[in-house]
Amino acid sequence: DTEVTQTPKHLVMGMTNKKSLKCEQHMGHRAMYWYKQKAKKPPELMFVYSYEKLSINESVPSRFSPECPNSSLLNLHLHALQPEDSALYLCASSHRRGEPEAFFGQGTRLTVV
Amino acid sequence: QKEVEQNSGPLSVPEGAIASLNCTYSDRGSQSFFWYRQYSGKSPELIMSIYSNGDKEDGRFTAQLNKASQYVSLLIRDSQPSDSATYLCAVNTYNFGNEKLTFGTGTRLTIIP
Repeated sequence: DTEVTQTPKHLVMGMTNKKSLKCEQHMGHRAMYWYKQKAKKPPELMFVYSYEKLSINESVPSRFSPECPNSSLLNLHLHALQPEDSALYLCASSHRRGEPEAFFGQGTRLTVV
Repeated sequence: QKEVEQNSGPLSVPEGAIASLNCTYSDRGSQSFFWYRQYSGKSPELIMSIYSNGDKEDGRFTAQLNKASQYVSLLIRDSQPSDSATYLCAVNTYNFGNEKLTFGTGTRLTIIP
């Protein structure tokens, strides 16, 4: 089982809205990631939650905030986003018993209007 | 210097030929190396991982790692039209609680029937 589940698959939100993206894995992975990917660009790391420690890419605006309720779940809370935040948001997880392979969810296509 | 570098392509290869994709990385502490395939609008799919110097073969795919030269490559034998995609090189530098998975810009591969 190499499944990382992201919900929702598509999200359209206004600039004044608050929404959350959800990511879940049941592979016993100890690290989970949020990436942002714009068209024709590589994934850009936003946050890492690894062994109960959160690491933040300091270039990520505060309108994005991660939350890790437990080791299987990583949420991304969105507030007051801008149109340029429209992108594919990818969640990944890795590190099951020393196996560092990272697997991605199917992504959430976010459009900010 | 970018942390992970790839030729952006596009790389065009005739069907049945060998496609060769290259990647260099800057952090000598990097420990795990991955190749992902990404179809347009989809999330990255892990196709190869390699951790020690030398070659690793899996079906039509061969990954090659040379840590002294900080170089990773992917060979695709008997290329098929379905191999047409963007190939992302990713490098994982891991210390407990300090996870970092960094992507190259990707190489766009087109297999010509």
